[in-house]
Amino acid sequence: KAGVTQTPRYLIKTRGQQVTLSCSPISGHRSVSWYQQTPGQGLQFLFEYFSETQRNKGNFPGRFSGRQFSNSRSEMNVSTLELGDSALYLCASSLSSGTYNEQFFGPGTRLTVL
Amino acid sequence: GESVGLHLPTLSVQEGDNSIINCAYSNSASDYFIWYKQESGKGPQFIIDIRSNMDKRQGQRVTVLLNKTVKHLSLQIAATQPGDSAVYFCPPKDRDDKIIFGKGTRLHILP
Repeated sequence: KAGVTQTPRYLIKTRGQQVTLSCSPISGHRSVSWYQQTPGQGLQFLFEYFSETQRNKGNFPGRFSGRQFSNSRSEMNVSTLELGDSALYLCASSLSSGTYNEQFFGPGTRLTVL
Repeated sequence: GESVGLHLPTLSVQEGDNSIINCAYSNSASDYFIWYKQESGKGPQFIIDIRSNMDKRQGQRVTVLLNKTVKHLSLQIAATQPGDSAVYFCPPKDRDDKIIFGKGTRLHILP
């Protein structure tokens, strides 16, 4: 069974631009969560999607948004990029939402904002 | 807010020794716990889990202990190897159903 895939793996943008990251979950997994990882703040929860609906959201500004498609694939978008958005963005999928299930992580997208 | 926590941000252990990584949680309703390991350049991966009706669970070279009275978990790694070098997380789920990873504990293996 293929694991969680994320594209692109690396991205360089400049301040003010926007970016879209993509995540394909493990087949059969319907929950997709996104996390931001930085040395200073660690691994922080961005949002979770289940059955195309945002189920939960972390404490991030509205510039961070996401969506999930009917095939469970998910995208996240960051608009008006700031230097502080430079981070590793991780996507994780799990079988379901609500109960605490094991999260299967992708390799991440390394975003650098110049 | 939810407390995540790993007591030490960095732990250095001699190769071959046992490692103990500690974790505290604050949500007394938490009934399931997972330890993850994140190696350099990879996403976190499941190591071992434990349910609240257990005090101890053993895997291959790893043991997790749960003390519900003081809301504390520990991950014990026997005969630590260079491949154990990673960041370890024990993310609880908070009352809003969010999984709180935090910074984790970085385990350094000394030769």
